[in-house]
Amino acid sequence: AQSVSQHNHHVILSEAASLELGCNYSYGGTVNLFWYVQYPGQHLQLLLKYFSGDPLVKGIKGFEAEFIKSKFSFNLRKPSVQWSDTAEYFCAVNPDTGRRALTFGSGTRLQVQP
Amino acid sequence: GAVVSQHPSWVICKSGTSVKIECRSLDFQATTMFWYRQFPKQSLMLMATSNEGSKATYEQGVEKDKFLINHASLTLSTLTVTSAHPEDSSFYICSARSAGGNNEQFFGPGTRLTVL
Repeated sequence: AQSVSQHNHHVILSEAASLELGCNYSYGGTVNLFWYVQYPGQHLQLLLKYFSGDPLVKGIKGFEAEFIKSKFSFNLRKPSVQWSDTAEYFCAVNPDTGRRALTFGSGTRLQVQP
Repeated sequence: GAVVSQHPSWVICKSGTSVKIECRSLDFQATTMFWYRQFPKQSLMLMATSNEGSKATYEQGVEKDKFLINHASLTLSTLTVTSAHPEDSSFYICSARSAGGNNEQFFGPGTRLTVL
């Protein structure tokens, strides 16, 4: 079974700081990779996704993620965070075959201080 | 983009009663819907996979007789929490995968269940 690890549980940054959230997965086959964001009191929203092709994926709100197959990683980055980026961020994977249910990481709470 | 709705958005019930939560795909047909559960400050845990017209597939540790899932049409799946107890209080989230689409799932806004 696949699993997803998010190493940073709680990150506190000042506005304009750069962000990188780690995500590693364990699965031997082809995977699809996702980052979701959950703002306080709101539902999950898709930030970006990787299915195939260019391993550097650009998403909404200035976020990007890089798939490094050799490291089984899909880290999320943003050059300059804003206070409005305060939210919970979830990395998720699912295999390219099978039931296609998502396996979520434990989440990273990002707190951006003005 | 594709929209998934859930009803109700929140519900409070007495212990021992049953609660039905609806998940609807509003502008696409969903052959597969997934039900997740999210405890406070925790991640989403898959409860079951619901395929239209067939029995749901439950994850290990999820009681199928307690969490009844029905996926009677391509746009509607329901989760019924039977004989709810306080430990069932949680945030229940559904997602839907379109019939002809890729691997993307679209999430509903969630239903917060509080059992007194």
